[in-house]
Amino acid sequence: DTAVSQTPKYLVTQMGNDKSIKCEQNLGHDTMYWYKQDSKKFLKIMFSYNNKELIINETVPNRFSPKSPDKAHLNLHINSLELGDSAVYFCASSQELAGGVTDTQYFGPGTRLTVL
Amino acid sequence: AQKITQTQPGMFVQEKEAVTLDCTYDTSDQSYGLFWYKQPSSGEMIFLIYQGSYDEQNATEGRYSLNFQKARKSANLVISASQLGDSAMYFCAMREGGTNAGKSTFGDGTTLTVKP
Repeated sequence: DTAVSQTPKYLVTQMGNDKSIKCEQNLGHDTMYWYKQDSKKFLKIMFSYNNKELIINETVPNRFSPKSPDKAHLNLHINSLELGDSAVYFCASSQELAGGVTDTQYFGPGTRLTVL
Repeated sequence: AQKITQTQPGMFVQEKEAVTLDCTYDTSDQSYGLFWYKQPSSGEMIFLIYQGSYDEQNATEGRYSLNFQKARKSANLVISASQLGDSAMYFCAMREGGTNAGKSTFGDGTTLTVKP
């Protein structure tokens, strides 16, 4: 069984459109993340949710809105897509431990978004 | 200042030989975790190994070991007996505790090519 899954795997769309990427994890983790990997392979965190609450929100345009309906899901909705949004978006999950000690993040397979 | 530095954009190694991928980090936290991920050409992010800041012994996972030198703030990945399938991009990452809890910072990556 896939631990962290994302749909779709590929997404090609026109500039100005609105699109969503879905993420689900079946690991029982309480924290989920969205990362963006650009064409130079730089990986940067966008959002983090812990028990459905937003805990990290990096400097991301407000066209990007994450939604966590429950602990196992974290979806990413993008409004008014721009050319610069083209990238691979990774979802990840982890279990936060006591005392600020961090646990391993497990990544989904990625969604390659291409904006034309 | 960059929190995670991988100074080797590309590395080559002969099959069956060992290779060390460098990673240095910068943090003022006492509690943090260091991770290595592998990203093959297929694009997925594969967790390899984890080292906690309080772990006294170097982490090992099969052919992977982490050479953790806390005073030098380095966390190099050692791959023994390289295989052709090890050719990939490798990312070093750090997750800090405290106010940065849950936030991962990734290095720029090192592309490893294993030669037959």
